Amino acid sequence: GAVVSQHPSRVICKSGTSVKIECRSLDFQATTMFWYRQFPKQSLMLMATSNEGSKATYEQGVEKDKFLINHASLTLSTLTVTSAHPEDSSFYICSARGGRGGNEQFFGPGTRLTVL
Amino acid sequence: AQSVTQPDIHITVSEGASLELRCNYSYGATPYLFWYVQSPGQGLQLLLKYFSGDTLVQGIKGFEAEFKRSQSSFNLRKPSVHWSDAAEYFCAVGGYQAGTALIFGKGTTLSVSS
Repeated sequence: GAVVSQHPSRVICKSGTSVKIECRSLDFQATTMFWYRQFPKQSLMLMATSNEGSKATYEQGVEKDKFLINHASLTLSTLTVTSAHPEDSSFYICSARGGRGGNEQFFGPGTRLTVL
Repeated sequence: AQSVTQPDIHITVSEGASLELRCNYSYGATPYLFWYVQSPGQGLQLLLKYFSGDTLVQGIKGFEAEFKRSQSSFNLRKPSVHWSDAAEYFCAVGGYQAGTALIFGKGTTLSVSS
């Protein structure tokens, strides 16, 4: 199946700093990418949907100025957590859809963010 | 409203016993249904999916699921559970349109006793 990578897999940062997470579709063109957030022992909550070359669509309650999403190419989307605080600590998972994936989303392995 | 319900938060099954994890969905269009498994600290692994056709779908690791449109259900089954099956299981529903995200259930934690 199609492969989606995320980098970094783990990141620890100090409160107030910004962190960028990359999501790449390695062997297909992702017309749409999604960002999810997962708190410990909870389900995945959709944060935003991004289409290549256009602004991301954020779910209700997600601060667009806090979580900046850029989908500059058909293989790369980035999530930047700006001025991170401890409550932003979470597991962030991206997924990509499109190309030969068709109706299926392919998930990245996730990024564990810890804000001290 | 679009939603996925997994009624069982936590299930414990003896090793070698059969397993059924329940999933009910509410979706306005033709649903595409998925089951994922997640081990602690890990990403999601796709177990199986249903898009159309035969309503009984086979997946990896000996899992299967049956789509019942009349009951809006997509229950996951395995005839004989192994200790390595202990994990978190998520049911998800999505649509045909390319910009449609998956909606996840809250998950069911499976514990396997010896």
